Amino acid sequence: GDSVTQMEGPVTLSEEAFLTINCTYTATGYPSLFWYVQYPGEGLQLLLKATKADDKGSNKGFEATYRKETTSFHLEKGSVQVSDSAVYFCALSRRKGGSYIPTFGRGTSLIVHP
Amino acid sequence: DAGVIQSPRHEVTEMGQEVTLRCKPISGHDYLFWYRQTMMRGLELLIYFNNNVPIDDSGMPEDRFSAKMPNASFSTLKIQPSEPRDSAVYFCASSPGLAGGSSSEQYFGPGTRLTVT
Repeated sequence: GDSVTQMEGPVTLSEEAFLTINCTYTATGYPSLFWYVQYPGEGLQLLLKATKADDKGSNKGFEATYRKETTSFHLEKGSVQVSDSAVYFCALSRRKGGSYIPTFGRGTSLIVHP
Repeated sequence: DAGVIQSPRHEVTEMGQEVTLRCKPISGHDYLFWYRQTMMRGLELLIYFNNNVPIDDSGMPEDRFSAKMPNASFSTLKIQPSEPRDSAVYFCASSPGLAGGSSSEQYFGPGTRLTVT
């Protein structure tokens, strides 16, 4: 079946450091890929997405590129802020029949210190 | 739009009691999902609906759990009888699906924090 693997957390960084959170996936066909962010006490919210190979999703300084050859969708940010502290989820969705199947990774906690 | 609405936000109940969680999806979305989140197991997909029809309920942990979607604007997740191990945050999410070129992203509600004592 489909699966999403994220790096274990927590990831702890100082403010203005460079961020990478690795994500790889296993799926047949051509899934869409997503990063969601969850702040404490809230639901997940979409951060960025990419729907086909070589697409780059970006939002709020975060970027991720859909790499089909390495089945990866790594999240990056050039300079993190304390306010970026949250849990980040990598996810995919794939069409199957008349419906589609969502799959989430386990999440990676990011802690940014001043 | 107000987003996905869930109620109650917090629920504390005693073991053996019936618990009903409610969700109102975003208008016009074809898909509705129920998830459970715990520290131990992470985010688990319990069941999802397409146009009010249950598509996959393989994630429902046992017969004590049931979900319904009587119309496009309302869904319930019921636990009867509840047990302490059901304590978790339950999220509802909706999605426009793949119609109109959408990429099937999901919109989550704020969650219901359930505590069973």
